[in-house]
Amino acid sequence: EPEVTQTPSHQVTQMGQEVILRCVPISNHLYFYWYRQILGQKVEFLVSFYNNEISEKSEIFDDQFSVERPDGSNFTLKIRSTKLEDSAMYFCASREGTARLAFFGQGTRLTVV
Amino acid sequence: ILNVEQSPQSLHVQEGDSTNFTCSFPSSNFYALHWYRWETAKSPEALFVMTLNGDEKKKGRISATLNTKEGYSYLYIKGSQPEDSATYLCAPRSSASKIIFGSGTRLSIRP
Repeated sequence: EPEVTQTPSHQVTQMGQEVILRCVPISNHLYFYWYRQILGQKVEFLVSFYNNEISEKSEIFDDQFSVERPDGSNFTLKIRSTKLEDSAMYFCASREGTARLAFFGQGTRLTVV
Repeated sequence: ILNVEQSPQSLHVQEGDSTNFTCSFPSSNFYALHWYRWETAKSPEALFVMTLNGDEKKKGRISATLNTKEGYSYLYIKGSQPEDSATYLCAPRSSASKIIFGSGTRLSIRP
């Protein structure tokens, strides 16, 4: 069964460093998402991506964040200068169409020290 | 859609009992609603997507209904089993792309 894959599963980085979280969505899907969950809190929407551009983003998704789909298969989330409060589980998701469910990857646990 | 409320926040049910919980959302600008099951240390698992008022979906012992006019959806679990223990998330959508999750209902099944 096709699945969304995320790498790495766990990333530890020093405050101020740049990190890139990688996702390979399901191949025929058109909508892509990043979410995060800070420990003990709800899952928060970061950004949606469609037709090679950001379609919507939340207030959390400020200038420190960017997304790319560089080669038609990977979908990346970059955090330019990480802060302690960026420590969270980051989930990638993809969806085939507007009336379809989104499928989630296993997540990347980002720890900023 | 920002005002997504799920109730109760947590629920403890005896194995074999049936249960249900609620997702409430603003009825204006409704586009679709998703339900997910999220087990600890795993990624959210897609259950249903519903778009029409009166929709009912079923997957095994789990079913869901949708009322877009009054802004709520119910999730039902019949004959709860220990493997049903998870957090159940609803995510109403007011646009084609953005999916916003509620805080979830944490379900624990007592053997």
